[in-house]
Amino acid sequence: AQSVTQLGSHVSVSEGALVLLRCNYSSSVPPYLFWYVQYPNQGLQLLLKYTTGATLVKGINGFEAEFKKSETSFHLTKPSAHMSDAAEYFCAVSGYGGSQGNLIFGKGTKLSVKP
Amino acid sequence: SQTIHQWPATLVQPVGSPLSLECTVEGTSNPNLYWYRQAAGRGLQLLFYSVGIGQISSEVPQNLSASRPQDRQFILSSKKLLLSDSGFYLCAWGNNRATEAFFGQGTRLTVV
Repeated sequence: AQSVTQLGSHVSVSEGALVLLRCNYSSSVPPYLFWYVQYPNQGLQLLLKYTTGATLVKGINGFEAEFKKSETSFHLTKPSAHMSDAAEYFCAVSGYGGSQGNLIFGKGTKLSVKP
Repeated sequence: SQTIHQWPATLVQPVGSPLSLECTVEGTSNPNLYWYRQAAGRGLQLLFYSVGIGQISSEVPQNLSASRPQDRQFILSSKKLLLSDSGFYLCAWGNNRATEAFFGQGTRLTVV
């Protein structure tokens, strides 16, 4: 079974500052890991994903995340926050095949960006 | 390219009334289909998933049901809504390798 823990339900940063959103996962099989972004009253948009290969993955809008197996982490970062990054971010995990093929989400982290 | 349609966008229903939310996918065949519910402060909860026509798996016991009458159609239903059914409902599709999921725009359901 898989699970995801996102540390911090709310994160606030100043425009231009580093963004760090934390995600730890638990999985009984090699995980696939995802970060999604949600703007108010909209669906979820995929930011980036890790399946296999390079552990540092780059996504849209300047975000990247690093898969660290030893720490069971997949933290999301962006060097310089922009006002348009204000949204809710969800980390998700899945495993290949059967019911483990379903994405399991964390509770989300709401990012605020101050001018 | 693949697209996913979900409707209606918003819905206000009285307690005890029935519910039907529809989701359709275009541009792919035999997708995995999912219904999630998002309640404030609780993240996304997987309600149902389907790997094929007529195949529905329920993740949590509840007042809702799902059906997949066609390959690219997924319906969420209730015979009698409860206040606790209020929330934001999201439909999604994915491939059977679970390398990602694509979401519809969601339905905001308010039960009054």
